[in-house]
Amino acid sequence: GQNIDQPTEMTATEGAIVQINCTYQTSGFNGLFWYQQHAGEAPTFLSYNVLDGLEEKGRFSSFLSRSKGYSYLLLKELQMKDSASYLCAVRNDYKLSFGAGTTVTVRA
Amino acid sequence: KAGVTQTPRYLIKTRGQQVTLSCSPISGHRSVSWYQQTPGQGLQFLFEYFSETQRNKGNFPGRFSGRQFSNSRSEMNVSTLELGDSALYLCASSSPVAKSSYNEQFFGPGTRLTVL
Repeated sequence: GQNIDQPTEMTATEGAIVQINCTYQTSGFNGLFWYQQHAGEAPTFLSYNVLDGLEEKGRFSSFLSRSKGYSYLLLKELQMKDSASYLCAVRNDYKLSFGAGTTVTVRA
Repeated sequence: KAGVTQTPRYLIKTRGQQVTLSCSPISGHRSVSWYQQTPGQGLQFLFEYFSETQRNKGNFPGRFSGRQFSNSRSEMNVSTLELGDSALYLCASSSPVAKSSYNEQFFGPGTRLTVL
């Protein structure tokens, strides 16, 4: 089975840093994705990790530890437009299994 | 490059009816996946098609079915609708070949289905 856990909600101040953790237990692993979804919109791709380590993409970074079944998404220099739901997803074969999502609220 | 398109965007049906949703992938993409998104369950995988073949299927009842055409366009069908089928149905396309290859999925805007 698939079990992907992430916090339900997080709140941070504009300009700050927020780290969203994701732990997973899945029957297979072909990579981990992070998606951003604004209310009423489709998810959009943020990052992909398949090997252990840190992937940096501008203000967003994602880390993976396969042995620990753990990933995090780091959002730096938060902006109001970063208020959204962040989805952790594990790929197994051709299937993506999503966590329930973390709603991040950025306050001025 | 045009994105993933889904039709219709909104749909209202009554219990017991059936519905067909359509998805046109990004040009050149041959893999299409379908997801159901509800507030309580989040995003759940329905099935994935590649070159007209279903390669993977989620844990949904047989009332949920799909198919893919030779031009990669895909449809999903839900028969005997239940109230719990009310959800946002998202389609995503990608152009992978190997299981282990990086494959960013591009999502369409979704079809909002309401079952009364």
